[in-house]
Amino acid sequence: QKEVEQNSGPLSVPEGAIASLNCTYSDRGSQSFFWYRQYSGKSPELIMSIYSNGDKEDGRFTAQLNKASQYVSLLIRDSQPSDSATYLCALGSSASKIIFGSGTRLSIRP
Amino acid sequence: EAQVTQNPRYLITVTGKKLTVTCSQNMNHEYMSWYRQDPGLGLRQIYYSMNVEVTDKGDVPEGYKVSRKEKRNFPLILESPSPNQTSLYFCASRTPAGGNEQFFGPGTRLTVL
Repeated sequence: QKEVEQNSGPLSVPEGAIASLNCTYSDRGSQSFFWYRQYSGKSPELIMSIYSNGDKEDGRFTAQLNKASQYVSLLIRDSQPSDSATYLCALGSSASKIIFGSGTRLSIRP
Repeated sequence: EAQVTQNPRYLITVTGKKLTVTCSQNMNHEYMSWYRQDPGLGLRQIYYSMNVEVTDKGDVPEGYKVSRKEKRNFPLILESPSPNQTSLYFCASRTPAGGNEQFFGPGTRLTVL
């Protein structure tokens, strides 16, 4: 089992709808969780971090964490074409290591 | 401007010719890492450094070397590159404080023929 699992997609969502991205992980000791956005050929950019169970909202983005079920999700409301990118789930498994999933490609169709 | 810089951005080389990819950050971060990104495999950590003169292997260290003589610089060295090291490479830095937000460099696309 991979340490961080994501559906590779592509996930196609109509403009204005809610995009839902999911991630599961295997290390129950993980304490910090991140969502990065990566445009093709560019470097990853941190968009959300979450450390405790529940929801965390930032603008159109909401991260959800459930440690008991070992999953973290990202909701994007009012999806825009500029949201089309690959979204990487990552977790901090120790003070020195951040482990990334292989990413989910999101495509917002007009 | 806070940033991580990498050079070169693009490099085409031949098998066995030693090369160095430089990485520099201006945020006084203790932690620096090198990743490679390949289709379907995501970001995999090559080496990391927790501070000056402290380096350790990541998940895929074979064929790579690093050094950390100054806090701001963390070069990646390929002593004898091979075609399976063709990849997109990212340098990143972070500090333990502030939620472990990691800043990435712009990437180096390496092709080994």
